[in-house]
Amino acid sequence: SQQGEEDPQALSIQEGENATMNCSYKTSINNLQWYRQNSGRGLVHLILIRSNEREKHSGRLRVTLDTSKKSSSLLITASRAADTASYFCATATGTASKLTFGTGTRLQVTL
Amino acid sequence: SAVISQKPSRDICQRGTSLTIQCQVDSQVTMMFWYRQQPGQSLTLIATANQGSEATYESGFVIDKFPISRPNLTFSTLTVSNMSPEDSSIYLCSVDGTYHNEQFFGPGTRLTVL
Repeated sequence: SQQGEEDPQALSIQEGENATMNCSYKTSINNLQWYRQNSGRGLVHLILIRSNEREKHSGRLRVTLDTSKKSSSLLITASRAADTASYFCATATGTASKLTFGTGTRLQVTL
Repeated sequence: SAVISQKPSRDICQRGTSLTIQCQVDSQVTMMFWYRQQPGQSLTLIATANQGSEATYESGFVIDKFPISRPNLTFSTLTVSNMSPEDSSIYLCSVDGTYHNEQFFGPGTRLTVL
C-alpha cells in the first residue's frame, strides 16, 4: 500500500509562477525523496532529504520536511513549460533501501 | 548516477502468454528493484532482487506470477506470467545509488495485454 498521499492531485499554473506540492506519510522514515516522471516514462530523481534535515535546495527546487507532522513539500520556483510532469514523493524506512511512493501530483505549466 | 536500460520499451501481448523484461545497468550494483505502475497510478514495489539469492517479494506479489532472475551484478529480468488485461502497466527497474540511497530508474516497459 502507498505510504504517501500527495496534494493536490493536479495543479495547473502559468509559466513563471511557483508550484507547491505536498506529501504526507504515515510512519517514521530515514529519508524522503522526490521524483519527476514525464509522460509515463522513467522516473528522474530530483532531491533527497534526510529525516534529520528540515530544508534542502537544488536549483529551482526547494524541499522542506516536517517529521512532527509527517509531511514534506516541494516548491518549484519560476516554473517552465518543461516542468510539466508528474511528481512523486517516496519514503525510505528502516534499513531497507526500498521506496514507498505517494500518489503523485500532475503539474501542468502553460505558456 | 547509474545508466539503466530496459528491453523491450513496450509490447502488446495476448492474454495467457508471458513476457520477460530485461534490465541492464552500466555499473555493478548490489540491489535492484522492480516496480509496477498501473495506468494513472503511482508506483508499487514488486520485489527486490539481490545477486546470488532469491528475490524478496512484496505483499500481493508472488514468484509464480512474477519470476525474477539476477544472474550478475549488472543485469536482472522480470517475467510477467500468464498475463491478463489487469497486468497492463508500466514496469520499471531501479537500482540503489552509491552514497545516499537515492534510486535511479530505467525508462520503463509499457505492457498492454489484450
